[in-house]
Amino acid sequence: DQQVKQNSPSLSVQEGRISILNCDYTNSMFDYFLWYKKYPAEGPTFLISISSIKDKNEDGRFTVFLNKSAKHLSLHIVPSQPGDSAVYFCAPYDVYGQNFVFGPGTRLSVLP
Amino acid sequence: NAGVTQTPKFQVLKTGQSMTLQCAQDMNHEYMSWYRQDPGMGLRLIHYSVGAGITDQGEVPNGYNVSRSTTEDFPLRLLSAAPSQTSVYFCASSYKAGGETQYFGPGTRLLVL
Repeated sequence: DQQVKQNSPSLSVQEGRISILNCDYTNSMFDYFLWYKKYPAEGPTFLISISSIKDKNEDGRFTVFLNKSAKHLSLHIVPSQPGDSAVYFCAPYDVYGQNFVFGPGTRLSVLP
Repeated sequence: NAGVTQTPKFQVLKTGQSMTLQCAQDMNHEYMSWYRQDPGMGLRLIHYSVGAGITDQGEVPNGYNVSRSTTEDFPLRLLSAAPSQTSVYFCASSYKAGGETQYFGPGTRLLVL
């Protein structure tokens, strides 16, 4: 069973509007969460992170929210731009296994 | 800095053939890892290394072999390729283990016939 779920395989949003990407996890040993962005034919690149001691982290247009009790985090992009069109991976860090566990990804399309 | 480089970009193999995917980084990172990406599965960890001479298995190690003789290089060997190993392979590195942000290479697309 997947420890990390991103239940929306794809998402389309109009330019200028908000994009919300969701991630749910089951493992309570996850204590640090990263989001990666991936363009076609390229490797993933780090976007933003959040520690389990916080419930929000903001970096420019990108904000990540963490709800530990619900084992849920979300990435908000405001305003969305066509250059944000990519696949986004949620990647919690497993303290016990000492490795990152990647979700299946959400493909975001921002329409002009 | 070139960052993390991978060769080849694309490879076609026949079942049973062996090959080595190359990975190098010039950032003096201690931690290096190999992932495979399959549709709907995200990235799954194959093998990783916390330093030269030290390697360990990840989630999906069967059919793959690694070694780490230098800090810079971390090759991945397919011993006897199978169609199930058709995938996109990514190498990544970070300053050290323990949750540091990883830097990824551009990937190698492998097709096993």
